[in-house]
Amino acid sequence: IAGITQAPTSQILAAGRRMTLRCTQDMRHNAMYWYRQDLGLGLRLIHYSNTAGTTGKGEVPDGYSVSRANTDDFPLTLASAVPSQTSVYFCASSPVGTGRTGELFFGEGSRLTVL
Amino acid sequence: DAKTTQPPSMDCAEGRAANLPCNHSTISGNEYVYWYRQIHSQGPQYIIHGLKNNETNEMASLIITEDRKSSTLILPHATLRDTAVYYCIVRAPPDKLIFGTGTRLQVFP
Repeated sequence: IAGITQAPTSQILAAGRRMTLRCTQDMRHNAMYWYRQDLGLGLRLIHYSNTAGTTGKGEVPDGYSVSRANTDDFPLTLASAVPSQTSVYFCASSPVGTGRTGELFFGEGSRLTVL
Repeated sequence: DAKTTQPPSMDCAEGRAANLPCNHSTISGNEYVYWYRQIHSQGPQYIIHGLKNNETNEMASLIITEDRKSSTLILPHATLRDTAVYYCIVRAPPDKLIFGTGTRLQVFP
């Protein structure tokens, strides 16, 4: 089934450790996004990429980095995890281009706990 | 992106229509209105979007006022499975999609 795959689905991590959340889509969408969602709150945009080779900062980019080497993959890296990065992380993709109005398709999330 | 205002929560009886309002008084001419929902802790799900005309699909209807300053998402026959947080977002593609806190819809038997 086509869609977005996130890994891992859940992870417990010691503070100070490096962690990469993986996101892969097979829909050939141009744009990809990373959001975090904290308990009781809406989603906040961390980083995005409108096309392979480009990235941009969202609302809450500090402490995170991304890369977009190809169309399908958009990993999110926490260089040195801190407890405030405990959250559920959602990856999304979107077809963008002439005539496309860019609805987003989301993965099922990665639950990260930093101790 | 224009900001949106939604009520924090609403209730609806099963089988009745659920009408979820959204105010977006500062919407720009090229911004679309999008609706998403999030069931429990799943990833958000796209529902519908529109620019200025009313729209309908298999999930819902979207009514946008003539001045485009507000809209209503209508779930014509709500079921228990429609219990979720519903997000109204305005955006001009390919701009970023910025979520607010949404409306928590509780459908009761």
